[in-house]
Amino acid sequence: QVQLVASGGGVVQPGRSLRLSCAASGFTFSTYGMHWVRQSPGMGLEWVAFISYDESNKFYADSVKGRFTISRDNSKNTLSLQMNSLSAEDTAVYYCAKDYLVMIQIPIDAFDIWGQGTVVTVSS
Amino acid sequence: QSVLTQPPSASGTPGQSVTISCSGSTSNIGSNYVFWYRQLPGTAPKLLIYGNHKRPSGVPDRFSGSESGTSASLAISGLRSEDEADYYCGTWDDSVSGVLFGGGTKLTVL
Repeated sequence: QVQLVASGGGVVQPGRSLRLSCAASGFTFSTYGMHWVRQSPGMGLEWVAFISYDESNKFYADSVKGRFTISRDNSKNTLSLQMNSLSAEDTAVYYCAKDYLVMIQIPIDAFDIWGQGTVVTVSS
Repeated sequence: QSVLTQPPSASGTPGQSVTISCSGSTSNIGSNYVFWYRQLPGTAPKLLIYGNHKRPSGVPDRFSGSESGTSASLAISGLRSEDEADYYCGTWDDSVSGVLFGGGTKLTVL
């Protein structure tokens, strides 16, 4: 079945880096754009980043621009999020999600499949 | 503070209908598709509506979406206790080149 499994979360000190991964299975990963979405404790959803199916387009939320980098390896069906200069405001559950539409450059519609989330805690 | 505005809470009794609103602007709802998610505590969001009003396979027709101008709505009919959850609207925003979510609406089934 279609599945996304996020990993790489943990406790990290402010200013340090962390790399999240998302393993995809059950669908043709190389034809779908992918997203990272986060949710701080007790708060709502916050979109973080998008990468198009062919890596030609990447978009970021202003809150992470310049600090986070989204990437993918279509040969390994893996999505990644490199997070640098972390602060307490980055503490959240991080979800990877699959775009609904196939082979698009801009995510104009929904994400239909979500991973289970991985917890990132930034604390000294 | 979310650019998409949702009421923080809504409520209804079993069998009733409830509508959750989502207000935006011309750069987001006014020119792009709206989608809706339901999230139960401790779980990932589940897609309810995409393309303004379309339901994914498996989502009952008790859930319906609509859009008019710079606002959108999610209507739930025949409320059930299991509908008690947080509901989020979302859309692409042309001016910020990013996806926006509403702040979420906590639905209570009394």
